[in-house]
Amino acid sequence: GAVVSQHPSRVICKSGTSVKIECRSLDFQATTMFWYRQFPKQSLMLMATSNEGSKATYEQGVEKDKFLINHASLTLSTLTVTSAHPEDSSFYICSARGVTGLRDIQYFGAGTRLSVL
Amino acid sequence: AQKVTQAQTEISVVEKEDVTLDCVYETRDTTYYLFWYKQPPSGELVFLIRRNSFDEQNEISGRYSWNFQKSTSSFNFTITASQVVDSAVYFCALSSNDYKLSFGAGTTVTVRA
Repeated sequence: GAVVSQHPSRVICKSGTSVKIECRSLDFQATTMFWYRQFPKQSLMLMATSNEGSKATYEQGVEKDKFLINHASLTLSTLTVTSAHPEDSSFYICSARGVTGLRDIQYFGAGTRLSVL
Repeated sequence: AQKVTQAQTEISVVEKEDVTLDCVYETRDTTYYLFWYKQPPSGELVFLIRRNSFDEQNEISGRYSWNFQKSTSSFNFTITASQVVDSAVYFCALSSNDYKLSFGAGTTVTVRA
């Protein structure tokens, strides 16, 4: 099956620092990767859509300068939370959509729990 | 705009009971895809099933089955003979040609031994 690796699984940082989260598709090439945010006991909210080699498309209300997304290859997308603050503490989860087969299915990483002190 | 509604917040059953999760969706698109994902306590989302808008055939896959009714915009999911390992949050989701997923609020399923 399709495997998506997300790293790190948990990060604790001080307010004002930047945190980078990696999302890799391990056994398939991902045309598109998506980044979601999930608050405790809530649903997933789409933050941005990332296409390889082009700028990410952000959902309304998501600050693109705050959440920098880079999709350098068909297997890697990164999300950088810049100058993190306590309100950025959340569960961030990425997904990847393949280029062949069932292209409408998104496979998810295990998520990154960010805690900003 | 797309919307997915999971009216059931929590369901608690005893092992071996069947569990049916309700999902109602709204979309103006004629082509769309419906999904069920499972999120165990560890956090990752596990893909379970997918259906496209042109295929209303309902199927059974192991202990999972689904009932897609386009006329009522519903995509219900059933776990037969539930097991403790089925305890998780289950999300119904909808996407169209842009492949962006709109998730329901989730239903927490607790299966007691």
